[in-house]
Amino acid sequence: DAGVIQSPRHEVTEMGQEVTLRCKPISGHNSLFWYRQTMMRGLELLIYFNNNVPIDDSGMPEDRFSAKMPNASFSTLKIQPSEPRDSAVYFCASRGDLDEQYFGPGTRLTVT
Amino acid sequence: RKEVEQDPGPFNVPEGATVAFNCTYSNSASQSFFWYRQDCRKEPKLLMSVYSSGNEDGRFTAQLNRASQYISLLIRDSKLSDSATYLCVVIDWYSSASKIIFGSGTRLSIRP
Repeated sequence: DAGVIQSPRHEVTEMGQEVTLRCKPISGHNSLFWYRQTMMRGLELLIYFNNNVPIDDSGMPEDRFSAKMPNASFSTLKIQPSEPRDSAVYFCASRGDLDEQYFGPGTRLTVT
Repeated sequence: RKEVEQDPGPFNVPEGATVAFNCTYSNSASQSFFWYRQDCRKEPKLLMSVYSSGNEDGRFTAQLNRASQYISLLIRDSKLSDSATYLCVVIDWYSSASKIIFGSGTRLSIRP
C-alpha cells in the first residue's frame, strides 16, 4: 500500500515567491494534517481537515499561509509570499481509525 | 508549563542496556497517547499506542499513569538501531475536533 505522498521533496525558492506543497493521503483516511518542523520550535501542527473540511487552523502562522483540500485524495499548503523564516520541513499526515497518524516523507523548504 | 514536556536528552547508553523516558502532559482529560520515533532527516513513524492498561511490543513497553499525568517508554536490550528521537503525542478530544500536541522529543543514542 502506498503511504502518504508529498511533493516536492525539496524546494528552494527566493523570498517573495509563492510556494505550493502537495499531499496525497492514504486512501480511506478521512483526516489530513499539515505540520511544520524546525530545530527551534519542533513539530507544530498548522492545520487539519476532517472529510475535506478544515477543522482547526489555529496553528497557521499568518495570512501568508493557506491550505486547501478539494477532495479526499489531495491537499495543498501554499505560502505567498514566502520568507526566509518559513524555511523548515513540512510534513503531511493522515489519520487511521485509532487516532494514529501516518506521515509523509516531508518537503524540505529553503527560502533564500 | 508546556502542555506536553519531554526531557530532550540526549540519553547516551551502551548497547544492551535498558533505558526509559517519560512524557508529562498538563490536561488531565487527555484521551489518546502515542509514541513516535523519528530518525535524522526522516518523518516521524508510529512506534506504539499507549493504552490505559499499558502496551508491550517486543523490547518496547509503554505505560500511562493518569494520576501523575505522564506516559513512559521503556526499551529493553537496546540496539544500535534504536538510536533516534522519540516523540510523545497527546490528543485531547472535544465535541467536534481534536487537539494534537507533539512533545519536542527525547534524543536517544546507543553506543557499541
